[in-house]
Amino acid sequence: GEDVEQSLFLSVREGDSSVINCTYTDSSSTYLYWYKQEPGAGLQLLTYIFSNMDMKQDQRLTVLLNKKDKHLSLRIADTQTGDSAIYFCAESMATTDSWGKLQFGAGTQVVVTP
Amino acid sequence: DTEVTQTPKHLVMGMTNKKSLKCEQHMGHRAMYWYKQKAKKPPELMFVYSYEKLSINESVPSRFSPECPNSSLLNLHLHALQPEDSALYLCASSQEKWGTDEQFFGPGTRLTVL
Repeated sequence: GEDVEQSLFLSVREGDSSVINCTYTDSSSTYLYWYKQEPGAGLQLLTYIFSNMDMKQDQRLTVLLNKKDKHLSLRIADTQTGDSAIYFCAESMATTDSWGKLQFGAGTQVVVTP
Repeated sequence: DTEVTQTPKHLVMGMTNKKSLKCEQHMGHRAMYWYKQKAKKPPELMFVYSYEKLSINESVPSRFSPECPNSSLLNLHLHALQPEDSALYLCASSQEKWGTDEQFFGPGTRLTVL
């Protein structure tokens, strides 16, 4: 099964905050990423966090990491209709034989309603 | 130039055809990747090239043949594909440095096998 788990769907009203959650199981993870994918497009890297950090903020995006619970979240403030997309969390491991491999979650479909 | 480009955008091919997908980046990245993505699923890693050498092959069938002619270019040669190979094929690149090694994705090629 997948090592990275996400809820599959989130509906949010325009202007509200969105919180997308992710859990991972590999304690050797070093970097955790959030990607956004709009319909028919590739993946856009939104932000990442190093595993020894608790929080990272970048404009409307806030990433929180609880390493003890292996829980990662992405908060989007003042959600806009352009934020409607699928959001993937992904982890990378810093071991020689797994270098270059990202383990993706299943993706959370975020729908923003007016 | 901070983007990964892929051509063609769409491709329809029969099971006896031979075709190629092309990916290009001019960011000086030394690692390049091919992913396969089915609808509503996360990307699945197929191949990784590091410094123009194949470093990871995720047990991909031989009807998919990657090629990295130089550090900026990555091809995926397709031959005798099956209808289940229909998917979005994504290319990505990264700097290949220890630590955070963000992967930047292209827009993908939508492949349909008839």
